[in-house]
Amino acid sequence: GQSLEQPSEVTAVEGAIVQINCTYQTSGFYGLSWYQQHDGGAPTFLSYNALDGLEETGRFSSFLSRSDSYGYLLLQELQMKDSASYFCAVKESAAGNKLTFGGGTRVLVKP
Amino acid sequence: DSGVTQTPKHLITATGQRVTLRCSPRSGDLSVYWYQQSLDQGLQFLIQYYNGEERAKGNILERFSAQQFPDLHSELNLSSLELGDSALYFCASAASEGIGYGYTFGSGTRLTVV
Repeated sequence: GQSLEQPSEVTAVEGAIVQINCTYQTSGFYGLSWYQQHDGGAPTFLSYNALDGLEETGRFSSFLSRSDSYGYLLLQELQMKDSASYFCAVKESAAGNKLTFGGGTRVLVKP
Repeated sequence: DSGVTQTPKHLITATGQRVTLRCSPRSGDLSVYWYQQSLDQGLQFLIQYYNGEERAKGNILERFSAQQFPDLHSELNLSSLELGDSALYFCASAASEGIGYGYTFGSGTRLTVV
């Protein structure tokens, strides 16, 4: 079956670096996305990797290794506002845009 | 404001009832997706429409149905509601079908079945 595994929770202090790993087992793979969701809010798109390597967007970076079915989201210079849940998601087919989401990682940033 | 509008924001209804959730996609987006998020859970894909046609179906219950209208807004109909249907229901839109990123989500409808 299809599955995306992420740690359930991570705690870190302001200014620190957090890495959220995502391993996936899906019927197909056409890219790995990351979304941020604050409590009670809508998921918002952060980044996308279709090819192996690192993508950097400000304080956030995302990495993909297709051979290892693995990716991660790196949050640098953590701020209190980064406290949220982070979801990885896989596009499994070439047609359509259906995304399969992981269970999410709750990041708690402490002062 | 993400540009994706969902109504209502909150809905409380009794078991056995039927409700309709509405979604207006971002201007120019042809694809609409419905996701269900139960408490502290990930997002479960329900169904996708593209320019009025059903494109993909997830683990959507037979009691649930959806459609996308010519003006591209979409409705998700939930019937014979059960307590376990209580969840956040999100609609997302995207400009096309081929991309795998950059979905824009609405703020969701929180459904409580009592």
